[in-house]
Amino acid sequence: NAGVMQNPRHLVRRRGQEARLRCSPMKGHSHVYWYRQLPEEGLKFMVYLQKENIIDESGMPKERFSAEFPKEGPSILRIQQVVRGDSAAYFCASSPIGGGAGNEQFFGPGTRLTVL
Amino acid sequence: AQRVTQPEKLLSVFKGAPVELKCNYSYSGSPELFWYVQYSRQRLQLLLRHISRESIKGFTADLNKGETSFHLKKPFAQEEDSAMYYCALGDGSARQLTFGSGTQLTVLP
Repeated sequence: NAGVMQNPRHLVRRRGQEARLRCSPMKGHSHVYWYRQLPEEGLKFMVYLQKENIIDESGMPKERFSAEFPKEGPSILRIQQVVRGDSAAYFCASSPIGGGAGNEQFFGPGTRLTVL
Repeated sequence: AQRVTQPEKLLSVFKGAPVELKCNYSYSGSPELFWYVQYSRQRLQLLLRHISRESIKGFTADLNKGETSFHLKKPFAQEEDSAMYYCALGDGSARQLTFGSGTQLTVLP
């Protein structure tokens, strides 16, 4: 099992462009979580998805950010019209069961987004 | 609101010395606490969780509800323990994790 895959590992965008970050969960996992890590800070929860459903997006900025997890293919975190403040590491995690006591989330290697 | 505080950004100890990484939390409900570790050039991975009451790689952590703490301890540090350690708090369903800002542990030879 290759674990959670994220691509690209590094992404450079100019202000105003769109950024698309992809996450393939571990085999057999149908729950995906996205986190953002700003420099010198811990990971901050953004959104939790199951296949074709957004379950909790309480950590997502209201504008420009969206996430999906289609029936087929990876989960996508999309940032429209990027600004310098979006520069961060974006981590994806997956789990076989959505929550519950002691449920472990398995993390991907992250995508480092740099906005010029 | 949930919050996790790791007061030490950097911590250095000598090999064989005891080590304690501090973690305090704020949460109104019944907390679920985790320690994650990130070794150099590797991804974040779960080290231990409080409900398991287990010892992994010699590390233990006890939940102290009175002091709202979940400090990570190891009696004899090893060089291979050098890594970034994150304390994390789960909500009731452990779906949303709240992370501390992390402590970089360096074990000196």
